[in-house]
Amino acid sequence: QVHLEESGGGVVQPGRSVRLSCAASGFTFSTYGMHWVRQSPGQGLEWVAAISYDGSETFYGESVKGRCTISRDNSKKTLFLQMDSLKPADTAVYYCAKPHQYYDMRSYFDYWGQGTLVTVSS
Amino acid sequence: KFMLTQPHSVSESPGKTVAISCTGNSGDIGNNFVQWYQQRPGGAPTTVIFEDSERPSGVPDRFSGSIDTSSNSASLTISGLQTEDEADYYCQSYDGNNRVFGGGTRLTVL
Repeated sequence: QVHLEESGGGVVQPGRSVRLSCAASGFTFSTYGMHWVRQSPGQGLEWVAAISYDGSETFYGESVKGRCTISRDNSKKTLFLQMDSLKPADTAVYYCAKPHQYYDMRSYFDYWGQGTLVTVSS
Repeated sequence: KFMLTQPHSVSESPGKTVAISCTGNSGDIGNNFVQWYQQRPGGAPTTVIFEDSERPSGVPDRFSGSIDTSSNSASLTISGLQTEDEADYYCQSYDGNNRVFGGGTRLTVL
């Protein structure tokens, strides 16, 4: 049974940093690229970042490029998202998402976590 | 910047058929696959259509997807509407290696 569980959200002051984690189980984590997608309150989905199965390639959305680092620890089956210089516009539920096809980062998402809420506010 | 535009909301009666459009602002939507995700209130998204017109196992055949290259758009059609279909629906495609989501369409079944 595939399970993705995000953690690390909370209330963060503008300009500060947050590190989100996504613990994966139920599949061979080291063979799948992984993604982060966020959703601001009452708004739509926004793709944030992706990382290849071995961490050698990373990709970022325009709104977070330069402030965000995606990484992974395959030995611990965990995905990370470090976000710096946070802005109120970064307030959102952050989901990790798994592509259906291993080694294919462009494959559709077949599993999502339940998300972790980051609130950027003073 | 590549963008996907969806109607903000649609509504239809139970048993009827509804189509939700997703229009690209540039390029050829036929060059990249389109996915459709359903999100019920308070829940995470789930896939109802992938690779333009394929259904994941467990998704009823009332859901179908198509591409119209002449209008540079994709469509999600839901037939035999049920109250459980009431949700937000998002199309998703690609801009290079990055994913792009449409703004979402709220489907009301009344």
